[in-house]
Amino acid sequence: TQLLEQSPQFLSIQEGENLTVYCNSSSVFSSLQWYRQEPGEGPVLLVTVVTGGEVKKLKRLTFQFGDARKDSSLHITAAQPGDTGLYLCAGGGGYQKVTFGTGTKLQVIP
Amino acid sequence: SAVISQKPSRDICQRGTSLTIQCQVDSQVTMMFWYRQQPGQSLTLIATANQGSEATYESGFVIDKFPISRPNLTFSTLTVSNMSPEDSSIYLCSVEGNLPSAEQYFGPGTRLTVT
Repeated sequence: TQLLEQSPQFLSIQEGENLTVYCNSSSVFSSLQWYRQEPGEGPVLLVTVVTGGEVKKLKRLTFQFGDARKDSSLHITAAQPGDTGLYLCAGGGGYQKVTFGTGTKLQVIP
Repeated sequence: SAVISQKPSRDICQRGTSLTIQCQVDSQVTMMFWYRQQPGQSLTLIATANQGSEATYESGFVIDKFPISRPNLTFSTLTVSNMSPEDSSIYLCSVEGNLPSAEQYFGPGTRLTVT
């Protein structure tokens, strides 16, 4: 069974602070996705990374895929209240079964 | 991307009854997925539904408890049968993006409370 452990589980920070969320596994994934979910809604795709060592930026969010394609990180610069939500990584898909991470609940306090 | 709607958005049901959740996609898709999620936690895959064949269930989920229909390429239903309070959860349907990437697009979810 492929497992994706996220850390931290919970994070409460002040607006303007930086943070990093980690997604780790002992398995190799063909690709990895990050999603954000707000209460009452389904997860929304933020990014897909497919190449080991790949770095993608989405405004204040920076995503990195580990060289061995077993782990990933999400870094948020100058967090805003709109960043509040549940962040989920997910590995696999396509011809590989999708596994969702354990989730990181982020609260950004104004 | 795909636009997915679910009905109902929420429901409160009595134990022993059944609820059918509908999932509609705005484009034709081969596979649809049904997940269960406790609020604030990760997603657990219930089953994969292909049009024209029986759904494939994950370990711990059985067809008698969670029958699924997939009558065409844009629609699916999940029934939660003989409900108990332990079935209280959020139920989400999703579809996969274009291969080989693994992106999934989710409906807004159905929040079920069983009393």
